[in-house]
Formats: sequence, structure tokens, C-alpha cells
Amino acid sequence: DAGVIQSPRHEVTEMGQEVTLRCKPISGHNSLFWYRQTMMRGLELLIYFNNNVPIDDSGMPEDRFSAKMPNASFSTLKIQPSEPRDSAVYFCASSDTNSGNTIYFGEGSWLTVV
Amino acid sequence: LAKTTQPISMDSYEGQEVNITCSHNNIATNDYITWYQQFPSQGPRFIIQGYKTKVTNEVASLFIPADRKSSTLSLPRVSLSDTAVYYCLVGVIRMDSSYKLIFGSGTRLLVRP
Repeated sequence: DAGVIQSPRHEVTEMGQEVTLRCKPISGHNSLFWYRQTMMRGLELLIYFNNNVPIDDSGMPEDRFSAKMPNASFSTLKIQPSEPRDSAVYFCASSDTNSGNTIYFGEGSWLTVV
Repeated sequence: LAKTTQPISMDSYEGQEVNITCSHNNIATNDYITWYQQFPSQGPRFIIQGYKTKVTNEVASLFIPADRKSSTLSLPRVSLSDTAVYYCLVGVIRMDSSYKLIFGSGTRLLVRP
């Protein structure tokens, strides 16, 4: 099993630019999560999909953030326009709620906005 | 949402047993207790999960008292490579998303030689 795959692993962008982070969940998993991690705020849940449908996006910081899951094997998290305070590690995770509630995380996308 | 409280940091030495306790006073009947481990520059990794009594796997043991208001992660004979942040989580993912899995601030374990 390849695990949760995220891209890019590292991105440096200028303030105001659009950033798109990508995630491929573990095959067969029906839930997908986007988390953000910073030193100040720790691990924050941004949004949660179940069967490709956004269920809870209350953690999305503001309208500049959007997430989509067009199919069971792909999701994107987009920031437009990006700001320096968006610099963080963004983790994608997936789980199979039909066989327990263990969440499997990807290696993260390290975003720096300058 | 069941909130968890755990020590901010712990120090230990190689070969010792480490016990990290987490309190979750408002745990619900259907909630499971799950522990994750995170190394620097990596995503959190599942360690162990339990509902009540004791659970043991190849990595750790999880002790849960009868009232389930706390849990203790036990790491036997730690090594330097066990230096990481350990998170205690309580909750279950429901199909109607009535729960969210929220990470607390975790416990930073430092294992010294």
C-alpha cells in the first residue's frame, strides 16, 4: 500500500499567488481530512470529506481557502490569494470508517509564503 | 467533543519504561481512545487504539480504567528513536460527521542516552 500521497512536498511562493496542494488517499478509504500544523496552533482540522462530499469545513480559516474532492482518489486544497501567515505544513489523511476509525496521514506539504 | 489533557513534555532514558497519561473526563459511550506518534518532519502515525481495559501491540500498551476518564500509553524500554510527540485523541468518525478527531497539543517525549 502506497499510503496517502501528497504533492508538492515543499513549496515556496510569493504572497498573493495561488497555491494548490494535492492529495491521493489510500485506495478504498472513504474519508479524507485536511489538517494544518504550525508551531503556534498545533494540528488543526481544516475540512473533512466523507464519500467525496465535504461534511465539515468549519476549520477552514477564511474564504481564501477552498477544498475539493472530485473523486474518491483525489483531493485538492487551494489557497487564493496566499499570505505569509498561511505558511505551515498541510497534512492530508484518510480513513476507512467501515473498518474502524484509524486515520492515516501523508508526509505533508511544507508551504512557505514570502 | 471530548477534550483531552496530557503533559506537555516528558524526559526519559534509554531502556526505561515510559507511561504517558491522558485525561478525558467527558468521554462519550461510543468514543474510542487513540494514540498517535509524530516525528519531526513527518505526519502523525497511529500507535494504538482501545475502548476499555488493556490493549497491547508490538509497539505499546494502552491501559484504560473502568470509568474511561483517563488512559495511559505505556512504551516499554524506550530507545532514542522513540523521541517524538505523542498525541491522545478521543472520538469516533461517524457517517454523519457528528464527531471530529481533534488533536491536542501532545506530549513531547525526549529520550536521553
